[in-house]
Amino acid sequence: GAVVSQHPSRVICKSGTSVKIECRSLDFQATTMFWYRQFPKQSLMLMATSNEGSKATYEQGVEKDKFLINHASLTLSTLTVTSAHPEDSSFYICSAGPLAGPYEQYFGPGTRLTVT
Amino acid sequence: AQSVTQLGSHVSVSEGALVLLRCNYSSSVPPYLFWYVQYPNQGLQLLLKYTSAATLVKGINGFEAEFKKSETSFHLTKPSAHMSDAAEYFCAVSGSSGDKLTFGTGTRLAVRP
Repeated sequence: GAVVSQHPSRVICKSGTSVKIECRSLDFQATTMFWYRQFPKQSLMLMATSNEGSKATYEQGVEKDKFLINHASLTLSTLTVTSAHPEDSSFYICSAGPLAGPYEQYFGPGTRLTVT
Repeated sequence: AQSVTQLGSHVSVSEGALVLLRCNYSSSVPPYLFWYVQYPNQGLQLLLKYTSAATLVKGINGFEAEFKKSETSFHLTKPSAHMSDAAEYFCAVSGSSGDKLTFGTGTRLAVRP
């Protein structure tokens, strides 16, 4: 149980275009989902906390108009990278926590974004 | 606020040897502590967690960790390393259920044949 999926797993796009990444909790409901960014050989950097039915909470330094987050249901959150630039190329990972404990977050397999 | 320090960005052990990955935490509230493993180009998999129950926590794949409040540590150990243990390991802390995780910088474990 506690499976989180992400789609797509890999995407290449041109500069200036927008890309949407989906994060789904497959067998549990998640009121809260988290979006992380990971640069090569580095740790995960939390970008934002996504709450179902409300606006996302962004970490300091993360542009909310560039990284649009929507959490429309208890099983789906989306991250849209708008007007992508090469420096947005990264590994994006989402996670979700069950409604009622046991505290840990379950991570998706990640999405590799390459902006050319 | 919480923070995590992982000592040693790279650890190399021989197959069959003891694995010890170090994690020290800082937290203004009783912490929840986690160890995750990441294989190349994949997401993170939970190895084990401490949530204020038993201080010695057993996880998957033979890993365990001991919460030591006096030392603010949560080191990860495995008695005998296997080649398949080679991966990146992250220690993480949160302040409460559902709270955001703060990750350490990670430790890359290499296992020599």
